[in-house]
Amino acid sequence: NAGVTQTPKFRILKIGQSMTLQCTQDMNHNYMYWYRQDPGMGLKLIYYSVGAGITDKGEVPNGYNVSRSTTEDFPLRLELAAPSQTSVYFCASSPRGTPIGYTFGSGTRLTVV
Amino acid sequence: TQLLEQSPQFLSIQEGENLTVYCNSSSVFSSLQWYRQEPGEGPVLLVTVVTGGEVKKLKRLTFQFGDARKDSSLHITAAQPGDTGLYLCAGAIGNKLIFGTGTLLAVQP
Repeated sequence: NAGVTQTPKFRILKIGQSMTLQCTQDMNHNYMYWYRQDPGMGLKLIYYSVGAGITDKGEVPNGYNVSRSTTEDFPLRLELAAPSQTSVYFCASSPRGTPIGYTFGSGTRLTVV
Repeated sequence: TQLLEQSPQFLSIQEGENLTVYCNSSSVFSSLQWYRQEPGEGPVLLVTVVTGGEVKKLKRLTFQFGDARKDSSLHITAAQPGDTGLYLCAGAIGNKLIFGTGTLLAVQP
């Protein structure tokens, strides 16, 4: 099984450009999450979803948007990229809420210049 | 606001030594998880603890959840180079996991 797949693995954006980070899971998990990880820091929750059509903000949602039209996909949209959004982005999924552990993708490293 | 503080931030030890990593908060969590992350990869779940005072063992790793469910520790016995990585604790609040600041462990052969 592929688990959680993120694309692309690396991307360089110019300030003001937009892009979508893709996340797909093949485990039929209801819950999906987007985190960002800055150097020397833990992961911070951007957005999460408890099922298709339902999304909610996390700790650091500003500058991002999400949608969840299917169980499998949870794309993260960056509008008007800023240098502060330079980070590694991780998507995760779980069959239901805590205390079930998350399955993470391998991340997307984004640099905004 | 960072709810979960881990200590130490960095740890470099020799193979065979023991170590303990701490995860502390002023918040109460319904459960707490520990993950290990290797360079270029996402975190991988090691363990989940749910009950205050709970102790779980995973080979040479021992995890403890504080009685008040505000803190946790990870103890590694006889560390090996394969234990090298970033260790993250994560506390559950509702449907969300809040991650700690991380402990970067390097085990030298």
